Amino acid sequence: GQNIDQPTEMTATEGAIVQINCTYQTSGFNGLFWYQQHAGEAPTFLSYNVLDGLEEKGRFSSFLSRSKGYSYLLLKELQMKDSASYLCVSMDSNYQLIWGAGTKLIIKP
Amino acid sequence: GAVVSQHPSRVICKSGTSVKIECRSLDFQATTMFWYRQFPKKSLMLMATSNEGSKATYEQGVEKDKFLINHASLTLSTLTVTSAHPEDSSFYICSARGTSEYNEQFFGPGTRLTVL
Repeated sequence: GQNIDQPTEMTATEGAIVQINCTYQTSGFNGLFWYQQHAGEAPTFLSYNVLDGLEEKGRFSSFLSRSKGYSYLLLKELQMKDSASYLCVSMDSNYQLIWGAGTKLIIKP
Repeated sequence: GAVVSQHPSRVICKSGTSVKIECRSLDFQATTMFWYRQFPKKSLMLMATSNEGSKATYEQGVEKDKFLINHASLTLSTLTVTSAHPEDSSFYICSARGTSEYNEQFFGPGTRLTVL
């Protein structure tokens, strides 16, 4: 079956670095997305990986290992506004999105 | 970037009435749009995939007669919740598939439906 696993909740300190891990199992693979979702709002696109390796975009980086079915989102220099849920999403061979339940990230001063 | 709008953003209705939610891609043509439902503290649940000019494909467990989807043009899809009941209260979000190589989905701001 298709499945996405990511931690339910994480806590980090303002200014620090946090890594949110995700493992996935999908029927075929056409890439992995990370979305950010603030409470009561729709998700916003953060990153897309389809090849192995690290993609850096400002304070956010995303890593993918296709052989391991593993990805992580790395957030640096954490700010209070980064408090949100982070959704790991895999795209299967039919270009359908398989959503993880999200990791709620709590930033403390 | 691509912009998707949703209307209304919030609606409160009485039980038994029908509610229509519009989803528009403002600056690109979307042959495929998606409708999601999100319960509190839960991930998005795909309800249906809407393709322009054809019938929507519903996910297992989603009632077709309850949630009517129409994708009449390349920029507009509508979701009608028919004979709404309190258990239909939820956050409904639409998305439109972009045309870039990433095939990413751009999300509307969502519609908060409360059925009394």
